[in-house]
Amino acid sequence: AQSVAQPEDQVNVAEGNPLTVKCTYSVSGNPYLFWYVQYPNRGLQFLLKYITGDNLVKGSYGFEAEFNKSQTSFHLKKPSALVSDSALYFCAVRDMGRDDKIIFGKGTRLHILP
Amino acid sequence: DTEVTQTPKHLVMGMTNKKSLKCEQHMGHRAMYWYKQKAKKPPELMFVYSYEKLSINESVPSRFSPECPNSSLLNLHLHALQPEDSALYLCASSQTGIVNQPQHFGDGTRLSIL
Repeated sequence: AQSVAQPEDQVNVAEGNPLTVKCTYSVSGNPYLFWYVQYPNRGLQFLLKYITGDNLVKGSYGFEAEFNKSQTSFHLKKPSALVSDSALYFCAVRDMGRDDKIIFGKGTRLHILP
Repeated sequence: DTEVTQTPKHLVMGMTNKKSLKCEQHMGHRAMYWYKQKAKKPPELMFVYSYEKLSINESVPSRFSPECPNSSLLNLHLHALQPEDSALYLCASSQTGIVNQPQHFGDGTRLSIL
């Protein structure tokens, strides 16, 4: 079965510093990978996806992610963190098991400190 | 602004009640989803409708009954729920349901079962 792992429950970053939220995946075949963000009391918002092509994917709100096949990773990055980036971030992967759907990692809470 | 609208935002019901959750989108999307999200956990897929037909049922108990009256509306009928069903219920939509398409989420209905 396909899966994603987010090894950090929480990441703290000072405002203005670069941020990284980690995601590793385990799939058979070529992965479809996604990042979503959830702000407090809101639904999820799509940030970016990797299906094929360039390993560096640019997304919404200045976020980007790097697909690394050798390390089976898809880390989310931003060069300069804002306090408003504080939220819950989910990595997700296509699961081609019984049903064709996406499954989410457990989530990483990002705190940007002023 | 959220393009997927869910009502009500909050719902408290007893275990013998019958209630419905509603979801509406006007983006012309032909796939709609129900997810269940417990606190500090990732969303779990419940149902998928594609072109108004139920395409995925993730072995959800029959006390949850989905309905898709037309391409813009998605309902979730609730009956005889259990306390463990208390959660945030999220609706989402995507263009046609192909997995590589971003999903657009509503802000959810927070359900409490007494």
